Formats: sequence, structure tokens, C-alpha cells
Amino acid sequence: TQLLEQSPQFLSIQEGENLTVYCNSSSVFSSLQWYRQEPGEGPVLLVTVVTGGEVKKLKRLTFQFGDARKDSSLHITAAQPGDTGLYLCAGDYANSGYALNFGKGTSLLVTP
Amino acid sequence: ETGVTQSPTHLIKTRGQQVTLRCSSQSGHNTVSWYQQALGQGPQFIFQYYREEENGRGNFPPRFSGLQFPNYSSELNVNALELDDSALYLCASSLRGQGGLGELFFGEGSRLTVL
Repeated sequence: TQLLEQSPQFLSIQEGENLTVYCNSSSVFSSLQWYRQEPGEGPVLLVTVVTGGEVKKLKRLTFQFGDARKDSSLHITAAQPGDTGLYLCAGDYANSGYALNFGKGTSLLVTP
Repeated sequence: ETGVTQSPTHLIKTRGQQVTLRCSSQSGHNTVSWYQQALGQGPQFIFQYYREEENGRGNFPPRFSGLQFPNYSSELNVNALELDDSALYLCASSLRGQGGLGELFFGEGSRLTVL
């Protein structure tokens, strides 16, 4: 199984602060996805990155795929309480093209 | 709301029992995947069904089995339950044929507790 390591595991910040979470692996992924999961719900897809070095923006969220396609980062600008949740990165499971291999996630708490 | 519905939402079983979890996929989707999410962990891939056949499987023993029906809904069956089977079981539907991972739409999950 290709391991995806996410850091930090937990993050507690105040509204308005910036933060970055990381997703690292020793394996190359054909694509990588970021999900956000709120308590009692399933994960919701935020973005898919495919090309090494790719940067995608979704409002205050910026996603980057490493040049070697082994790592990715998620940067949130001016965090809001609504950003609270579990952020999961996921790569192709064994480059299967159909299954996801998830990291353990970063649990983010944004307080007013 | 993703349009993927799972039932039951919560259930409690004892060791050795069997359980069946159900999933209705989003309209127009032909593929269903099942994931197990233990407390404090990310989801782990169990298997995927496409056109009523198992299309791929993760590192789970044979006592985890499934079905997909002609209307693309699906069941996950777990026999001889063990304490470590306690987890949130997530169903995800997608439309195969788009190439690559595509977008998976997850249900809210079924929370299984094994005592």
C-alpha cells in the first residue's frame, strides 16, 4: 500500500490566520485529490491535481501538486470557522485508476 | 447533499454476528465503492463494483463481500464480525468512463459498533 502521510495531524487556529497542511508520499501518483469531511458526514471533494507543479485555487484555498507528483499542499488564507473539518488527501490506489488511498487527515479547528 | 444514501446510519452488533449495509448511488452513476473509516483514520478502500461485478479489492479478508444490483445500488456484507470491524462504512458512487479517478460522491456513512 502506498502510504500518504499528512501533517500536522491536528491544527487549532484563530479566525483570520493562514495555514498550510501537507501530504507526502514516497510513491508517485498519477493524480491526487483533496477532500474535506465534517463530523457525521462523508468526505466531499475539493480538488483534483494531475500535473506535476500544478497550482489550483478555490476561493481562499490554494492547492499545489509537487513537481515529482509525490507530495501536495493545501494553503488556506484568512481561515474562517466554516473551514473547520478533517482535510484528507487521497491518491490513486496502486495507480489503479479507480480506487483511492487516503492519508489519515489533518483535523482543523478554526475558532472565532 | 451528494444524492448517495446509506442505511442504516447507526447499528450495534456483537462479535460473530453478520451485518448488511446498503447504499443507493447517485442518479446516473454506474460504479459504487466501499470504504472503511476507523476512528481517527482516513478511509480505507474495501472494494468497488461496476456492472454488478467486483472490479477491484483492497486489503480486506473474504468475510467482507458485496453486491451491486441492476439499478446500481449496492450492499456490503460482513460475516463473523470482529471488534476491529467497528468503524464508519462509507459508500461512494461515481460514473466510470470519464478516465482517471473522476469524482467520487460519498454518502454520510453507516456507523457500525461491534461489542
